[in-house]
Amino acid sequence: DTEVTQTPKHLVMGMTNKKSLKCEQHMGHRAMYWYKQKAKKPPELMFVYSYEKLSINESVPSRFSPECPNSSLLNLHLHALQPEDSALYLCASSQDRGDRVYEQYFGPGTRLTVT
Amino acid sequence: GDSVTQMEGPVTLSEEAFLTINCTYTATGYPSLFWYVQYPGEGLQLLLKATKADDKGSNKGFEATYRKETTSFHLEKGSVQVSDSAVYFCALGSGNTGKLIFGQGTTLQVKP
Repeated sequence: DTEVTQTPKHLVMGMTNKKSLKCEQHMGHRAMYWYKQKAKKPPELMFVYSYEKLSINESVPSRFSPECPNSSLLNLHLHALQPEDSALYLCASSQDRGDRVYEQYFGPGTRLTVT
Repeated sequence: GDSVTQMEGPVTLSEEAFLTINCTYTATGYPSLFWYVQYPGEGLQLLLKATKADDKGSNKGFEATYRKETTSFHLEKGSVQVSDSAVYFCALGSGNTGKLIFGQGTTLQVKP
C-alpha cells in the first residue's frame, strides 16, 4: 500500500477562520512533509517531520502551524490566512534511514481557497 | 547549490509518437533521481527512480537512465497515449539538504 490520504479535498475559508488539514499514511514511513503548490509550479517545501519531530521549517509564516501527533498522522493548522495563501497543499511521506534521500509518496492534496 | 533544469514546455505530440523530456542536474555527491507525474487536479505520483549512476528506472513504458557523465536523467517513452497528458517533474534527492529539489515541470499534451 503506497497511499497517502488527505482531508478535506477542498476547503474555502475566510481570513479570520481557523481550520486544519489532515494527512495520514500507513506505510511505516518516519518522515512526513507539507508542501504548497501554486498553479503550473513545482511544489514548495514548507515543513519536514522526522520521527515525529520537526526537522525543517522553510521560514513559513506563523499562520501555518504543523503538528505530528504520531508516526502516521500529520496536521497543518491554519489561522488568519491571506488570499495569497490559496493553493494546493500536498502532504508526502518517505522512509528516513539517514543514508540517502528516499522517494516521497504524495497525497492527492487539499485545494485551499482563502476569501 | 543543487538544482534541476527541465526542458520548457508545453510539449505537444500526436498519439503513438516518441517522447523525450530532458532533465539535467547540478549536485555535489551522488544524488538519487526521480520522475514524478501530476495529472490535472491530483497530487504527484512517483513515476520512476534511479539511485546510482547507470541505473535505469522504468515504469508504465517510461524509462530514464542516470547518466553521471552528462548529469542527465532524460525521460523517454516509445509510444505516448492521450492518457499520458500531464505535468512531469524531474527531481533530485539532495544529500546536502535532505530535500527533494524539483525542476520547473514540463506539460505534455498528447492529441489523438
